[in-house]
Amino acid sequence: GENVEQHPSTLSVQEGDSAVIKCTYSDSASNYFPWYKQELGKRPQLIIDIRSNVGEKKDQRIAVTLNKTAKHFSLHITETQPEDSAVYFCAAREGASKIIFGSGTRLSIRP
Amino acid sequence: GAVVSQHPSRVICKSGTSVKIECRSLDFQATTMFWYRQFPKQSLMLMATSNEGSKATYEQGVEKDKFLINHASLTLSTLTVTSAHPEDSSFYICSATDRVAGELFFGEGSRLTVL
Repeated sequence: GENVEQHPSTLSVQEGDSAVIKCTYSDSASNYFPWYKQELGKRPQLIIDIRSNVGEKKDQRIAVTLNKTAKHFSLHITETQPEDSAVYFCAAREGASKIIFGSGTRLSIRP
Repeated sequence: GAVVSQHPSRVICKSGTSVKIECRSLDFQATTMFWYRQFPKQSLMLMATSNEGSKATYEQGVEKDKFLINHASLTLSTLTVTSAHPEDSSFYICSATDRVAGELFFGEGSRLTVL
């Protein structure tokens, strides 16, 4: 089955700087890669996703890149703000099947 | 986006009792719902896939007789934690998609505390 690895587990960046979180997946058939933001005690919120027919996608300060050959995908947050502090999860899915999550990254934005 | 509602948000029970958690898709029909468990400071671990009108598919290591899943309609799936023990204390979250291979929407989650 699919296995998703995520790193780093914790990340602290200065406000205004960029943050990058990286994930790898094992199943070459996976074709959908969402990223979720979770605040303490709340449900995960989808922040951006990418499908395997696209190499990069951007939405304002957030961007995701996908390297299918290497089975890597990354989340990039630019101009970080205090409200970006949260836990971020990458995930992968094959077709209509179950979504498997990475281990999470706790992002802290230093004022 | 589509709305998934989960109830109760918090539940405290005594060891040995059973607890039922409901997950509803409010504005769409969900043939498949997913149940996740999240321990503090950990990731979301898939417990089972709930299929409307058929038996749920459980992930390896998840006891089907302990975590009973019923998906009797296209808008409702329930998870019953039977004979709960303190180690079952966790955050349980359901999710559903409004179309094949579509975005996954999450319920609010249910925090279970077993005394």
